[in-house]
Amino acid sequence: DAGITQSPRHKVTETGTPVTLRCHQTENHRYMYWYRQDPGHGLRLIHYSYGVKDTDKGEVSDGYSVSRSKTEDFLLTLESATSSQTSVYFCAAGGFSNQPQHFGDGTRLSIL
Amino acid sequence: GQNIDQPTEMTATEGAIVQINCTYQTSGFNGLFWYQQHAGEAPTFLSYNVLDGLEEKGRFSSFLSRSKGYSYLLLKELQMKDSASYLCAVRDRGDDKIIFGKGTRLHILP
Repeated sequence: DAGITQSPRHKVTETGTPVTLRCHQTENHRYMYWYRQDPGHGLRLIHYSYGVKDTDKGEVSDGYSVSRSKTEDFLLTLESATSSQTSVYFCAAGGFSNQPQHFGDGTRLSIL
Repeated sequence: GQNIDQPTEMTATEGAIVQINCTYQTSGFNGLFWYQQHAGEAPTFLSYNVLDGLEEKGRFSSFLSRSKGYSYLLLKELQMKDSASYLCAVRDRGDDKIIFGKGTRLHILP
């Protein structure tokens, strides 16, 4: 929706391996966000970015890092994946002033 | 920090009206969003409030009272396709974080 693409859409990997999720937007939004969604917890903010190379932590940032080297790309990295990071990950862009956030279709990540 | 509360689940009948409440506490308020999310899909934007009052969009309306830290989403003429989760989200004035409540799952009965 609104030019937000997440890759991969599905991934299964093993505990201890590094994982990188990519979010790409075509709308030139300044703000981008990474959320995880788990049953009983709703959407929880992991990290967000308010410009190229400008990022900040969210509610559940431990074990995650992000990078934004270009306006259109926002990467989420799990340096050493753990089973507790099994989740559905959503990227969003927008949300500045009265702009709504537009979400990607999500990445279903399973850590075995 | 921020805290956002919404009921976990609600049930309503097709054709009826339902009101989903959201209360929030935040150190600095800078807007409230409502999203709809069908199972297995991404959230989609419904409405935005930053000033007190009612915003109407077709069958959906959203109300905000900043002094009470309270909002509601009103859905009229309910249809079966309105069965979904409804998410309340608040943007913080200080750091522009957008934090979501846990969502309200709405069941529509025929």
